[in-house]
Amino acid sequence: GESVGLHLPTLSVQEGDNSIINCAYSNSASDYFIWYKQESGKGPQFIIDIRSNMDKRQGQRVTVLLNKTVKHLSLQIAATQPGDSAVYFCAENAGGTSYGKLTFGQGTILTVHP
Amino acid sequence: SQTIHQWPATLVQPVGSPLSLECTVEGTSNPNLYWYRQAAGRGLQLLFYSVGIGQISSEVPQNLSASRPQDRQFILSSKKLLLSDSGFYLCAWSLSGTGEQYFGPGTRLTVT
Repeated sequence: GESVGLHLPTLSVQEGDNSIINCAYSNSASDYFIWYKQESGKGPQFIIDIRSNMDKRQGQRVTVLLNKTVKHLSLQIAATQPGDSAVYFCAENAGGTSYGKLTFGQGTILTVHP
Repeated sequence: SQTIHQWPATLVQPVGSPLSLECTVEGTSNPNLYWYRQAAGRGLQLLFYSVGIGQISSEVPQNLSASRPQDRQFILSSKKLLLSDSGFYLCAWSLSGTGEQYFGPGTRLTVT
């Protein structure tokens, strides 16, 4: 069935470095993707989204890249800060429903060392 | 601005006891509402969604049920809890069927 997975379950970086978190998806019908950040004991926080008619979208210190050819999604965080330490989830929406079903990946733990 | 509330924040319940978790949304009308469960160190599993009052759909068969008695109120219930019901329960809302979902703070449920 459809699935969204992550290449790396953990990522450790130094403060100030750029971070790249990857996500592979298997449903070629997915037309909408979201990145969430979840801090320990809290609900996921929306970071950035991208629709399938785009290849790249930028936010504040974050960039999402979508490669539909290989069904790959990535989140780039510039100048990573200790406050960026969290679990990052990608999620996809395959469309075709009235309620916006999101399928979540397992998550990547990002640890930023000062 | 919109806000979403969940309570209680934490709950410890014995096996076989009933459950009622509540979620309310403020600052919007007719939202889509969702209940997710997150096992420790895992991703989110969609349990129920609702596109309107009294309209509930279940994603997976389980020991839980959901209800939406009011437009911005979503309740997750169980008549008899199982050990496997332990987890982090998250409520979310969205404005449309294809947009981003916004999550509440979650309820940590431990069944003993």
